[in-house]
Amino acid sequence: AQKVTQAQTEISVVEKEDVTLDCVYETRDTTYYLFWYKQPPSGELVFLIRRNSFDEQNEISGRYSWNFQKSTSSFNFTITASQVVDSAVYFCALSARGSTLGRLYFGRGTQLTVWP
Amino acid sequence: EPEVTQTPSHQVTQMGQEVILRCVPISNHLYFYWYRQILGQKVEFLVSFYNNEISEKSEIFDDQFSVERPDGSNFTLKIRSTKLEDSAMYFCASRGTSGGNEQFFGPGTRLTVL
Repeated sequence: AQKVTQAQTEISVVEKEDVTLDCVYETRDTTYYLFWYKQPPSGELVFLIRRNSFDEQNEISGRYSWNFQKSTSSFNFTITASQVVDSAVYFCALSARGSTLGRLYFGRGTQLTVWP
Repeated sequence: EPEVTQTPSHQVTQMGQEVILRCVPISNHLYFYWYRQILGQKVEFLVSFYNNEISEKSEIFDDQFSVERPDGSNFTLKIRSTKLEDSAMYFCASRGTSGGNEQFFGPGTRLTVL
């Protein structure tokens, strides 16, 4: 069975603070993909990043960075110098090889509020 | 940049009525999906579709639901007899054959069943 846990329901920070969103996943598949999606107040789901299970190289993209650790089954997401426009719900998701077309299993999401 | 589109953005219907939600996936994508999100909850998988067939469906996707690709561009979700608990945001997604498994989502259709 596949499962994604985002223990943080809500996080509030003040602009320019760094913030890390936690994601822990469970799967028995050895090949899988992990994703982060952003859902701004307008409601759409915006793809941010994908990582596959055999690529543990962490990535930095502008103010965003991701930390993938298979040993702890975690795929955390950090926003550096947060901005008001980062306010959104962030979803971590998992797609495992056992699913024919790679259905996504989502966590419950973390509501991030960045105050000016 | 190509994107997934969905119509209508908001649909209000009476319980027991049929609704059809429409999606136009990204043009060169071959894999299609429907998900739903009840207000304030997580996004849940409904069904995946490839080569004019359902590939996988969740326990939510019961006999009241059906999907169709009536032509080369549209992908529809039909709910035959809506229930109050079908009220949710419905997202269509599509995926290409190259790269990773990332799915690109449409803006969603908010379905309200009264």
